[in-house]
Amino acid sequence: GEDVEQSLFLSVREGDSSVINCTYTDSSSTYLYWYKQEPGAGLQLLTYIFSNMDMKQDQRLTVLLNKKDKHLSLRIADTQTGDSAIYFCAENSNSGYALNFGKGTSLLVTP
Amino acid sequence: EAGVAQSPRYKIIEKRQSVAFWCNPISGHATLYWYQQILGQGPKLLIQFQNNGVVDDSQLPKDRFSAERLKGVDSTLKIQPAKLEDSAVYLCASSLTGISGNTIYFGEGSWLTVV
Repeated sequence: GEDVEQSLFLSVREGDSSVINCTYTDSSSTYLYWYKQEPGAGLQLLTYIFSNMDMKQDQRLTVLLNKKDKHLSLRIADTQTGDSAIYFCAENSNSGYALNFGKGTSLLVTP
Repeated sequence: EAGVAQSPRYKIIEKRQSVAFWCNPISGHATLYWYQQILGQGPKLLIQFQNNGVVDDSQLPKDRFSAERLKGVDSTLKIQPAKLEDSAVYLCASSLTGISGNTIYFGEGSWLTVV
């Protein structure tokens, strides 16, 4: 299958902005997603972007998509300690539109 | 609206034993997915159902894993016999349809430890 790559760890101070990056390889993906997973919990959809868009903003979240470079990023403004979690980038697969996930980026927010 | 329900939440079994996980998707959702999430990795699709038919089971280890969704609602995932490497979280998810762009909702997962 296609690979979705993410950096594994990110540490920021409370109040700063966080930027989590992702690269994908399936150019036919029509939607790209960001999910959040807190310890012991399932996956929570944060936001998604359609492939013909290059930016989407939703409150503190900004998603940027560079389709030419197959690069997706999630910016969290004014990061809070409650944002500490694992963030997964995901793309639609070709078959059945199930999601292909990256390995996740662990975000640690320190006071 | 109730979310995706899964049970049991936690299970510890010995290798070569069997285990079954149950999932009840969101009401009205035609598409149901089972994902395996090994510690430190992203979820990997095991099987996708559209109503009671299988859409994709290419990554399901069919020698030991089986899944069914007989009436197109609830689903059961079975592992028999279990191996140590099956220790993972088994996530069930559902979506209204299987088309691109439909939001996929996840349950909280069933945590399996094989000893």
